[in-house]
Amino acid sequence: GENVEQHPSTLSVQEGDSAVIKCTYSDSASNYFPWYKQELGKGPQLIIDIRSNVGEKKDQRIAVTLNKTAKHFSLHITETQPEDSAVYFCAASMGTGFQKLVFGTGTRLLVSP
Amino acid sequence: GAVVSQHPSRVICKSGTSVKIECRSLDFQATTMFWYRQFPKKSLMLMATSNEGSKATYEQGVEKDKFLINHASLTLSTLTVTSAHPEDSSFYICSAPRRDSGGEQFFGPGTRLTVL
Repeated sequence: GENVEQHPSTLSVQEGDSAVIKCTYSDSASNYFPWYKQELGKGPQLIIDIRSNVGEKKDQRIAVTLNKTAKHFSLHITETQPEDSAVYFCAASMGTGFQKLVFGTGTRLLVSP
Repeated sequence: GAVVSQHPSRVICKSGTSVKIECRSLDFQATTMFWYRQFPKKSLMLMATSNEGSKATYEQGVEKDKFLINHASLTLSTLTVTSAHPEDSSFYICSAPRRDSGGEQFFGPGTRLTVL
């Protein structure tokens, strides 16, 4: 089955710096890659997603890149703010969100003022 | 945006009792819902896929007789933890994909179960 690895497990940055989180997946049939932000005691919230027919997608300060050949995808957050502090999860799925998601291990991002 | 609710948000029960957790899609119909379990500082692990009008599909290693899932309507799925034990204490989260959002999964706020 699919396996998703995520690095780093923790990431500390200063406000205004950029943050990059990387994930690799094992199943070349996976074609949907969402990123979620989870705050303490809450459910995950989708922040951006990308499908395998696209190499990059951007939404304001957040961008995701996908390298299908290498089977890895990355989340980029620019101009980080303290409110970006949370746990971020990548996930992979075959098909759309109607198929089950396999989650990465999570990255705890801390943005210091 | 779409909203998925869960009830209760927190529950404390005695060992040996059963607990029911509800997952509702508030503004869309969901023929499929997913149930996850999350231990502290860990990732989400899929437990089962809930299908409206049919049996749930359980992931390997998840006891279907212990974690009963009922998806009786297009907006409600329930997870019942039967004969709960302290090791069942966890954060349970449901999600529902929305068809007119390209299948984007919307997650509930989670239910914190503590078994004494």
